[in-house]
Amino acid sequence: GAVVSQHPSRVICKSGTSVKIECRSLDFQATTMFWYRQFPKQSLMLMATSNEGSKATYEQGVEKDKFLINHASLTLSTLTVTSAHPEDSSFYICSAVVSGGTDTQYFGPGTRLTVL
Amino acid sequence: QKEVEQNSGPLSVPEGAIASLNCTYSDRVSQSFFWYRQYSGKSPELIMSIYSNGDKEDGRFTAQLNKASQYVSLLIRDSQPSDSATYLCAVNEGGSQGNLIFGKGTKLSVKP
Repeated sequence: GAVVSQHPSRVICKSGTSVKIECRSLDFQATTMFWYRQFPKQSLMLMATSNEGSKATYEQGVEKDKFLINHASLTLSTLTVTSAHPEDSSFYICSAVVSGGTDTQYFGPGTRLTVL
Repeated sequence: QKEVEQNSGPLSVPEGAIASLNCTYSDRVSQSFFWYRQYSGKSPELIMSIYSNGDKEDGRFTAQLNKASQYVSLLIRDSQPSDSATYLCAVNEGGSQGNLIFGKGTKLSVKP
């Protein structure tokens, strides 16, 4: 149980394009999902907290207009990187918390974004 | 600033030995503590959660929590080369909506 999927697993795009990443909880409902970013050999960095049906809460220094988050259902949150640039190249990972459960976060497999 | 501190390592142990990973945290109101394993290029995988003082065992893994000392540890018995990974300690941010504060991780290397 508590399986989280992400799609796509890997994406390469040109500078200036937008990329959408999906995060799905497959066997549970998730009122809250989290989006992280991890650069090579660095620790996880929380970007934003996504709550179903409401606006996401962004961490300090994360541009909400650049990283659009939509949590439209209890099993799906999307992160759209708008006008991507090479410095946005990173490993994007989502996690989800079981609604009504503990605060354990279950992570998706991650999406590796490369912006040329 | 709420912090979770881990020794970055690398921690090298021979196959079959006990690996001991340590973590300290600064937020006294934290109530939930987690250990995740992250292989290179992969996302974190939950190993254990612990909420009460004392020991919690799951197979070869034992988590230990001491809230008075703000200390949590993970012991891996009979270490295997496949245990070689970075181990992340995570602590819930008291009063938040489930946010976790992650340590930078300890890299473990188990030598055959």
